[in-house]
Amino acid sequence: DSGVTQTPKHLITATGQRVTLRCSPRSGDLSVYWYQQSLDQGLQFLIQYYNGEERAKGNILERFSAQQFPDLHSELNLSSLELGDSALYFCASSVGTLKNTEAFFGQGTRLTVV
Amino acid sequence: AQTVTQSQPEMSVQEAETVTLSCTYDTSESDYYLFWYKQPPSRQMILVIRQEAYKQQNATENRFSVNFQKAAKSFSLKISDSQLGDAAMYFCAYRSPLVGNNNDMRFGAGTRLTVKP
Repeated sequence: DSGVTQTPKHLITATGQRVTLRCSPRSGDLSVYWYQQSLDQGLQFLIQYYNGEERAKGNILERFSAQQFPDLHSELNLSSLELGDSALYFCASSVGTLKNTEAFFGQGTRLTVV
Repeated sequence: AQTVTQSQPEMSVQEAETVTLSCTYDTSESDYYLFWYKQPPSRQMILVIRQEAYKQQNATENRFSVNFQKAAKSFSLKISDSQLGDAAMYFCAYRSPLVGNNNDMRFGAGTRLTVKP
């Protein structure tokens, strides 16, 4: 168990709909990263938050948005969903110091758009 | 910006043999961290091994070891005595020391390892 919790584990929804994916980082971790992984593909970096502030954006569509709350949990909002948005969405967290340097991943949310 | 390149999309190895997965990276930073993650069919991301750039000694974890060549910016993963359970996608990752800034964690595209019985 990595200590990073993602909910829900699975999500099936229709095109045009909006969904929210939730991530609770490890206790004490300040950085949260969101990644999208399509079938048999690599990790596409979407966005990073650090202690509530957006720090970096990757290939995140305008239809997608995210935020990190004061308790450090994060939500990824996906709207106007398309079939191509079907993917595994990972959240990862890491502490904001140099002592524990790796990112810890949640189990992912598998999104299926039908 | 730092980039991570894995030039081998797929590799295969015979059970009990040794295989090396390649990774190169580009950076202007002098101190950083490198990782190998494993993603088995369950799709869970598992940390395999880490290397601090300031350490000259190559990291080892049981059957997993790295060949870290800082000047060449190369970080390969060697898996000895390969087992069927090693079959997975392997991702190389770079971590900047500037934690919290500008996507400080970057991943390569991955290498899919097949282990043949």
